[in-house]
Amino acid sequence: DAEITQSPRHKITETGRQVTLACHQTWNHNNMFWYRQDLGHGLRLIHYSYGVQDTNKGEVSDGYSVSRSNTEDLPLTLESAASSQTSVYFCASGRGDSPTDTQYFGPGTRLTVL
Amino acid sequence: AQSVTQLGSHVSVSEGALVLLRCNYSSSVPPYLFWYVQYPNQGLQLLLKYTSAATLVKGINGFEAEFKKSETSFHLTKPSAHMSDAAEYFCAVSVGNTDKLIFGTGTRLQVFP
Repeated sequence: DAEITQSPRHKITETGRQVTLACHQTWNHNNMFWYRQDLGHGLRLIHYSYGVQDTNKGEVSDGYSVSRSNTEDLPLTLESAASSQTSVYFCASGRGDSPTDTQYFGPGTRLTVL
Repeated sequence: AQSVTQLGSHVSVSEGALVLLRCNYSSSVPPYLFWYVQYPNQGLQLLLKYTSAATLVKGINGFEAEFKKSETSFHLTKPSAHMSDAAEYFCAVSVGNTDKLIFGTGTRLQVFP
């Protein structure tokens, strides 16, 4: 069965370190998204990609970057982790054919920045 | 610009009671609306979506939602709550004519025996 996976599921790091969160999907979807989930804010879009070599900034992109070298993967990098980036991060993918397409979510990565 | 507002961050019901989770939207174009559910320690999964084909939308697990343009609402209902419905529910709207989503802040549903 097709799926979307994230690793690691839990990560503790220190302020100033670079951190990369992995996202891998086997749906063969064109579109991929990264969100962060914080209490009182719901999910907010960090970055998204509409295909290989395409990346775009979302609502809360400062301090984050992504790269899309193949269809399956969209790693999220925190260049210099800050305590404000402590959050739960979700990756999602979608076909990209229509604004009504369903997004399929990974299980999330809980990141703590000390 | 599109946005959604979920009224009530927490809703508690007894098992067997009606579930009503509220979502109001703001959109300058005809909206596409979604309800997603998040069970503890899991990712989100789609419950149902409004695509303009029908105003009453039926989803999984007995949930349904009605699109009311006059009230700019897309409330989620279920006639009889089950313990397994305890989760967080998110309303979302597509941004313009894209598949980017703007999510509400979520409503946590508790079901008591």
